[in-house]
Parts: sequence; structure tokens; C-alpha cells
Amino acid sequence: AQSVTQPDIHITVSEGASLELRCNYSYGATPYLFWYVQSPGQGLQLLLKYFSGDTLVQGIKGFEAEFKRSQSSFNLRKPSVHWSDAAEYFCAVGAQAAGNKLTFGGGTRVLVKP
Amino acid sequence: KAGVTQTPRYLIKTRGQQVTLSCSPISGHRSVSWYQQTPGQGLQFLFEYFSETQRNKGNFPGRFSGRQFSNSRSEMNVSTLELGDSALYLCASSWSGFPDTQYFGPGTRLTVL
Repeated sequence: AQSVTQPDIHITVSEGASLELRCNYSYGATPYLFWYVQSPGQGLQLLLKYFSGDTLVQGIKGFEAEFKRSQSSFNLRKPSVHWSDAAEYFCAVGAQAAGNKLTFGGGTRVLVKP
Repeated sequence: KAGVTQTPRYLIKTRGQQVTLSCSPISGHRSVSWYQQTPGQGLQFLFEYFSETQRNKGNFPGRFSGRQFSNSRSEMNVSTLELGDSALYLCASSWSGFPDTQYFGPGTRLTVL
């Protein structure tokens, strides 16, 4: 079975500082990987996704993620955080062999200090 | 283009009742998936519908059911509500299902008293 782990439940970062959110997955083959963001009272918005090819993926809002097969990781990064980036971030994995569903990590809540 | 809409946004029910939630996908999208989000269990996949047929199902009891109409709108129903069913229910639509990008609605917040 596929699984996703986000080791950090909460992260506090100062505005303007860099941000890195960790994501580790478990799956037999190369899965499809996603990062979503959820603001309070909102649904999930896709930040970026990785299917194949270049292991560094650019997304919206200045985010990027790097797929590292050897470490089974797909970490999300942003060079300079804005106050509006305060939200909860979810890493997800999907695979057609697993029934075309997304399996989500537990989420990381990001707080931004002024 | 309008996004995924879910109605109602908030709902309060009592144990034992049943509830129906509605999801209207983005125009042209034929796949609709439902997820349950709770603080304890996180985001969990309920089921996916495509062209009025349930294509995938998660590990939820039979009290949770759904359907999809010819216009791709979907409903999910929970019968005999339990306190543990209190959650945010999210609907997501995509063109034809995974691995197409899933676009999520704002969710329906269900509270069971």
C-alpha cells in the first residue's frame, strides 16, 4: 500500500525567510506526487505535481519541489515566504495501479511571523 | 470558468439522521472524487465516480454512498450518522480521473451532535 509521511506537524518561519517542507512516500514504483495547500475554510489548491522527467518541479506562488528517488522524498521549498503563505500544506501520492485515488500525508501547518 | 461548488457549506445533524451532500464539478469534468477530512484521520479517499459509475472506493462502511448524474453532478449520502462522521467533506473534479489534476471544492462542514 502507498503511504505518505510529513514529519513536521507545525513549522514557524519569519516573513522573508526560506521554507522547506518535508515529504516522504512509500510505494513500489515511481508514483505521481503532488503538493496541495489549504487555507482556513478553503478547499485544496494544487501547488505543483511530478509525474516524470526533470526532478525539480516549479509550481505556482513561487514554490518548487525536488523529487529524490533514492530518498523517497518530494520536499517543497520556497526561497522567501510571504505572510499569505500561512496555511496547511499537504503532500499526496497517487498511482493508477492503486486505484486512481490520492493518498495524503498528515499535513504541515505553516505559521509566518512578521 | 467556475470552480467546483459544494452545497451546503455547513450542516448540523444529530446522530441517527442521514445527510446528502452535493457537488457540482467544473464544466466538462467527468470524474468526481470525494474525500473526508478530520483532525484525527486526515484526508481520506471515499470514492470516485466517472460517467455515472463508481470507479473506485475507499475503506469506508456501507453507510457512505454516492451517485453521479448524467450532467456529472454528484451527491454523497451518509445514513445513520455517528459522532465520528463530523468532518469536512471535500469534492474534487477532473477531466477523466487520475492522473489528471484534481480541482477541489471548498468543502461541506458536517457536524453531528
